[in-house]
Amino acid sequence: KAGVTQTPRYLIKTRGQQVTLSCSPISGHRSVSWYQQTPGQGLQFLFEYFSETQRNKGNFPGRFSGRQFSNSRSEMNVSTLELGDSALYLCASRARGNEKLFFGSGTQLSVL
Amino acid sequence: KNEVEQSPQNLTAQEGEFITINCSYSVGISALHWLQQHPGGGIVSLFMLSSGKKKHGRLIATINIQEKHSSLHITASHPRDSAVYICAVGTNDYKLSFGAGTTVTVRA
Repeated sequence: KAGVTQTPRYLIKTRGQQVTLSCSPISGHRSVSWYQQTPGQGLQFLFEYFSETQRNKGNFPGRFSGRQFSNSRSEMNVSTLELGDSALYLCASRARGNEKLFFGSGTQLSVL
Repeated sequence: KNEVEQSPQNLTAQEGEFITINCSYSVGISALHWLQQHPGGGIVSLFMLSSGKKKHGRLIATINIQEKHSSLHITASHPRDSAVYICAVGTNDYKLSFGAGTTVTVRA
């Protein structure tokens, strides 16, 4: 079974731009969650989606948004990028609810 | 105060030593996860548990729901165990909160 796939692997943007990151879950997994990892703040929860519905959102500004498609693939979007948005963005999938998480390799975003 | 506290922050051990990492949390949880992250690498889920104890190879995870505390033990540690170990707690509203991580270095 293929693992969780995140694209792109690396991304460089400038302040004010917007970015879209993609996550393809393991086949059959309907839950996708997103996380931000920075050296200063560690791992922080962004969103959790299940069957195209956002079930929860972390404490991030409205510039951070996401969605999930009918094939369970998910995207997250960050608008009006700030320097502080530079981070590793990770997604994880699981079959339904409280089960083991499978993480992707992440997208390293650098905002210049 | 962070919802999830891990200790120690850093740990250095000699190959073969027994290692323990502790995690305390302050919220009601549906499950607790132990994660492993190698330098430059992705995150691997080691355990997910909501009660009792789980064992996989040289790794053992325990949780005490009443005391809101979990431990991850590594027996007969090996240099390949060097990584950051992260405790995360999941709540019934599908949110995950993370500890700051414990950096483990095992010297040969």
